[in-house]
Amino acid sequence: DTGVSQDPRHKITKRGQNVTFRCDPISEHNRLYWYRQTLGQGPEFLTYFQNEAQLEKSRLLSDRFSAERPKGSFSTLEIQRTEQGDSAMYLCASSPGLQETQYFGPGTRLLVL
Amino acid sequence: AQTVTQSQPEMSVQEAETVTLSCTYDTSENNYYLFWYKQPPSRQMILVIRQEAYKQQNATENRFSVNFQKAAKSFSLKISDSQLGDTAMYFCAFMKPLNSGNTPLVFGKGTRLSVIA
Repeated sequence: DTGVSQDPRHKITKRGQNVTFRCDPISEHNRLYWYRQTLGQGPEFLTYFQNEAQLEKSRLLSDRFSAERPKGSFSTLEIQRTEQGDSAMYLCASSPGLQETQYFGPGTRLLVL
Repeated sequence: AQTVTQSQPEMSVQEAETVTLSCTYDTSENNYYLFWYKQPPSRQMILVIRQEAYKQQNATENRFSVNFQKAAKSFSLKISDSQLGDTAMYFCAFMKPLNSGNTPLVFGKGTRLSVIA
């Protein structure tokens, strides 16, 4: 069991650029979640998938954000036209279908200059 | 909407001593799950302990135990025999059951715990 992995671990970009993050969940976990964590705060829910279906999106997820999980395995989170307010840690978590515990990846830390 | 409140932004404890971190939550649900997660500096978040609301018995995991008071909507974490490796941010989190639809975690703002040698 290799755990949840995320890539890249760190990303620095200029305002207005697009960025894409990847999350690989624990094998056979059919639920995958994205959260955002800003400094000094707890993680906030962005969106989640059951297999390839995106079932819920938070109001935090503006039109500039899009997430996919095309084959029900890994997921990508894209931010278009990044803004300084997008600077945060983006966390991915996965859980087995019938259990509720979510297991987190190491996160991708984004800095928008 | 569910909310989770951690009223202690920072705490410290001497090595080998016991410390209790507080958490309260607000929900109209009767069945739900509560979690404590630990986030060490620059490391990923890991599960410490979980509690199902329908269980009256408080969960324990080695040196970690909870005091779950459902009527008071309180869910505190007790760390016994504190170790230097316990230094981390601790987050309390709430989740509705699967049969109520979406199941994201709702987190508190966290408590930064420092264990002092």
